[in-house]
Amino acid sequence: EPEVTQTPSHQVTQMGQEVILRCVPISNHLYFYWYRQILGQKVEFLVSFYNNEISEKSEIFDDQFSVERPDGSNFTLKIRSTKLEDSAMYFCASTMMGGREETQYFGPGTRLLVL
Amino acid sequence: KQEVTQIPAALSVPEGENLVLNCSFTDSAIYNLQWFRQDPGKGLTSLLLIQSSQREQTSGRLNASLDKSSGRSTLYIAASQPGDSATYLCAVRASGTYKYIFGTGTRLKVLA
Repeated sequence: EPEVTQTPSHQVTQMGQEVILRCVPISNHLYFYWYRQILGQKVEFLVSFYNNEISEKSEIFDDQFSVERPDGSNFTLKIRSTKLEDSAMYFCASTMMGGREETQYFGPGTRLLVL
Repeated sequence: KQEVTQIPAALSVPEGENLVLNCSFTDSAIYNLQWFRQDPGKGLTSLLLIQSSQREQTSGRLNASLDKSSGRSTLYIAASQPGDSATYLCAVRASGTYKYIFGTGTRLKVLA
């Protein structure tokens, strides 16, 4: 069964450093998402992406964050200058969108720790 | 602003019991609602998706209902098994948006 993959599974970085989290969505999906989950808290929406542009973003997704689909298969989340509070599990998700195919498929996540 | 609440926060039941997990949301103008399962340290697996025009969906031992007007959804698990132990999350997509708002989840433990 096709699945969403994410790399790396774990990343440790120093505050102020840039990180890039990578995702490979399911190949025929059209909509892509990033969510985050701080330990013990709710899963929070960050951004949705369709047709090579951001379709919606949350208040969390400020100028420090950016997303890109550089080559038609990868979908990346970049954090330009990490802060301690960026430590969380980051999930990528993809969906076909539209009726029965709107099920969101999540990747296994990248655990980011900012020191 | 849409808020999603799940009760109970945690539940422990003996194997074989039927159980109900509850999800409530404050804004009834939703596009759809999904129930997910999350195993510790893992990603989310979609269990059931209910469109706003539907009242229930079934998959195997799982049945989810939706009462949009009262802002409620329930997930019914029949004949629970130890393998059902996980955190169950509901998420709501509001009309006119792409984003899902998640509840805090119900942590289920099924005892053998």
